[in-house]
Amino acid sequence: GENVEQHPSTLSVQEGDSAVIKCTYSDSASNYFPWYKQELGKGPQLIIDIRSNVGEKKDQRIAVTLNKTAKHFSLHITETQPEDSAVYFCAASSAFNNDMRFGAGTRLTVKP
Amino acid sequence: ETGVTQSPTHLIKTRGQQVTLRCSSQSGHNTVSWYQQALGQGPQFIFQYYREEENGRGNFPPRFSGLQFPNYSSELNVNALELDDSALYLCASSIDRGRLETQYFGPGTRLLVL
Repeated sequence: GENVEQHPSTLSVQEGDSAVIKCTYSDSASNYFPWYKQELGKGPQLIIDIRSNVGEKKDQRIAVTLNKTAKHFSLHITETQPEDSAVYFCAASSAFNNDMRFGAGTRLTVKP
Repeated sequence: ETGVTQSPTHLIKTRGQQVTLRCSSQSGHNTVSWYQQALGQGPQFIFQYYREEENGRGNFPPRFSGLQFPNYSSELNVNALELDDSALYLCASSIDRGRLETQYFGPGTRLLVL
């Protein structure tokens, strides 16, 4: 089955800097890759997603890149703000299973 | 907010008891997926319901069961609770059962088993 690895597990940046979180997956049939932000005491909130026919997608300060050959995808946050501090999860959905596999999460701290 | 609601928000049970958790999907969504999130980990898929039928299941024992109702709301039932069942239980709704469909999560129910 699908296995999703995420790193780093913790990331601390200064306000205004960029943050990059990377994920790798094992199932070459995976074709949907969402990113979720989870704040303390809340459920995961979708921030951006990408499907396998697209290599890059951007939404304001957030961008995701996908390399299907290498089986990895990354989240890029530019001009970070303290309110970006949260746990971020990547996930991958395989074409042959109904489950979505999540990475272990990255705790991002943006220092003012 | 996603429009997905869950109840209760918190629950404390003892080992061996049974628990029922509830989820109301976002308006227009006919598919509900349930996840277990242990502390410090990513969510793990339990199962998915589409139009009142189970539509895929993760690596969870049969004591985890579910229901979906005609209004697409859903229940997760866990029998014979074990200490390791302590976790945040999340439901997510999507507009359809397709594997490329975006899932929107509720706030979760935090279950503590003593």
